[in-house]
Amino acid sequence: GQQVMQIPQYQHVQEGEDFTTYCNSSTTLSNIQWYKQRPGGHPVFLIQLVKSGEVKKQKRLTFQFGEAKKNSSLHITATQTTDVGTYFCAGPYSGAGSYQLTFGKGTKLSVIP
Amino acid sequence: ETGVTQTPRHLVMGMTNKKSLKCEQHLGHNAMYWYKQSAKKPLELMFVYSLEERVENNSVPSRFSPECPNSSHLFLHLHTLQPEDSALYLCASSQDVSSRETQYFGPGTRLLVL
Repeated sequence: GQQVMQIPQYQHVQEGEDFTTYCNSSTTLSNIQWYKQRPGGHPVFLIQLVKSGEVKKQKRLTFQFGEAKKNSSLHITATQTTDVGTYFCAGPYSGAGSYQLTFGKGTKLSVIP
Repeated sequence: ETGVTQTPRHLVMGMTNKKSLKCEQHLGHNAMYWYKQSAKKPLELMFVYSLEERVENNSVPSRFSPECPNSSHLFLHLHTLQPEDSALYLCASSQDVSSRETQYFGPGTRLLVL
């Protein structure tokens, strides 16, 4: 079945540094979603990308969808302590039941003040 | 955020107990989901319901039994669980069953099986 692979698994940054997490798939994705889960919280939707090469920004967050629609990235500029949490990408399941979302393992971001 | 609520928030149960987790969504959505989140595994989709009809059961052991009496409520009945079933159980809803729909998660029930 479809798996979306996410790297790195953990990332520790100094406050003010940039952060990037990558999501890769072996097959073409029709769309990809990104979620954030704060410590002790639940996943919260951030954004969805649909078009090849699409780039979307939310303040300090920049989301990209690869030209081949097999990879995506989330880049945070000048991290703040409020950015702490685990970031998940999610893509459609490639087998039967493609309406399902399959989540990556997530990248856990720690920000050192 | 109170769109999706879950009770209880925490649950400790023995392996011979029977308990139920409850989820309610106030968003008028047609699809509801149960996920399991363990410490070192990705979010695992357990069940999918669309308009009260189960559309997916991802090889979940029979000791987990879902119930969806209406499109706003979802239950997960638990019986004779194992310690490895200890995890955070998350309920989610979306407008329809589609990978393009945003999923709204509840706060989860943290389950400990002794």
